[in-house]
Amino acid sequence: DAGITQSPRHKVTETGTPVTLRCHQTENHRYMYWYRQDPGHGLRLIHYSYGVKDTDKGEVSDGYSVSRSKTEDFLLTLESATSSQTSVYFCATKRPGGNTEAFFGQGTRLTVV
Amino acid sequence: AQSVTQLGSHVSVSEGALVLLRCNYSSSVPPYLFWYVQYPNQGLQLLLKYTTGATLVKGINGFEAEFKKSETSFHLTKPSAHMSDAAEYFCAVSDRSGNTPLVFGKGTRLSVIA
Repeated sequence: DAGITQSPRHKVTETGTPVTLRCHQTENHRYMYWYRQDPGHGLRLIHYSYGVKDTDKGEVSDGYSVSRSKTEDFLLTLESATSSQTSVYFCATKRPGGNTEAFFGQGTRLTVV
Repeated sequence: AQSVTQLGSHVSVSEGALVLLRCNYSSSVPPYLFWYVQYPNQGLQLLLKYTTGATLVKGINGFEAEFKKSETSFHLTKPSAHMSDAAEYFCAVSDRSGNTPLVFGKGTRLSVIA
């Protein structure tokens, strides 16, 4: 267990409001990822980070931003929440190398009304 | 670019029957391959992975998978399904450098019927 904590675990917010989801890890893994999970789409990558202040966009990054000021924390911000961003969000961490697995948090269920 | 295809979004088996979940990958060079399981309202956890060496990989809970380069496949099997195996299963691929994020298939939901 990589010691990944996501907060909050559940959130309901209104359309147009900003929302920040937090991922905290205790394993000092260099790589961190944010995915969203939706029925029929599996896991889709939003943003990822290969180190402090080193982030990049994934396949569904529109409307999202991230920040990583410390190794252990990776924040995902929905700048102005929309109903299409209602989803379950997962954070994952990984050590460098193609043969290392990703470890996942428990997820945050976000509902935008 | 790498991709993963999981055939069948939903598979239903009887308790005690063989479980077979299919995964095919697309990659210019043989990648590293992973199977994850997700139980309801939980995150994903690793079942098994293929990196190098033996092409038949054994994982947790009696699951195993075989890497077949000629078929670009990494199917997951279990000889005898248990009710507790009901979950969603994801196949994922990584390039050998690890410099690009894991790419996941869309998942297969396994139901086990008593």
